[in-house]
Amino acid sequence: AQKVTQAQTEISVVEKEDVTLDCVYETRDTTYYLFWYKQPPSGELVFLIRRNSFDEQNEISGRYSWNFQKSTSSFNFTITASQVVDSAVYFCALSEAVFGNEKLTFGTGTRLTIIP
Amino acid sequence: EAGVAQSPRYKIIEKRQSVAFWCNPISGHATLYWYQQILGQGPKLLIQFQNNGVVDDSQLPKDRFSAERLKGVDSTLKIQPAKLEDSAVYLCASSLRTGFGNTEAFFGQGTRLTVV
Repeated sequence: AQKVTQAQTEISVVEKEDVTLDCVYETRDTTYYLFWYKQPPSGELVFLIRRNSFDEQNEISGRYSWNFQKSTSSFNFTITASQVVDSAVYFCALSEAVFGNEKLTFGTGTRLTIIP
Repeated sequence: EAGVAQSPRYKIIEKRQSVAFWCNPISGHATLYWYQQILGQGPKLLIQFQNNGVVDDSQLPKDRFSAERLKGVDSTLKIQPAKLEDSAVYLCASSLRTGFGNTEAFFGQGTRLTVV
């Protein structure tokens, strides 16, 4: 069975600080996909990144970066120079690479608060 | 491009009453999902459609929940009769194609259901 663990329930940092959100996953599949979504107060889930299990390269997009390590089953997310607009709940998710089934298994989320 | 549309945004009903939620996916998206998000938890898949066929409904409480996607476009999720534990946000999502888990899902703003 698939499982995603986000041990950090809530994090608060002062604006401009860097912050890392942790994600640990469990799966028996050799091929799978990992995602991060942002859920602002408005409620919709906003897609941030998708990473397949064969690509362990770290990725940077502006102030966001992701560190995927298969050896520790982790897919951590770092925000550099945080801003108030980054305040939201962030979800890590996992899906199987099974044709016709892209069910996402989500973690419980990390609520990030950026203090001005 | 218009996003995933859901209505209503909020609904309050008494237990044992029935309720229906509507979702219109992004145009051209063949795959549609309904997720349930209980407060403080990550979204959990209830049902996945590919066009108008059901791909996965293994976590749908079929004694009280039903969903349909007539004509492979918009979808309706119904609860009858509602229980207190059904209080949650119901999120609809759609994705462009079905294929090995590598397509991100786009989410609507959700319907917040309160059962009293």
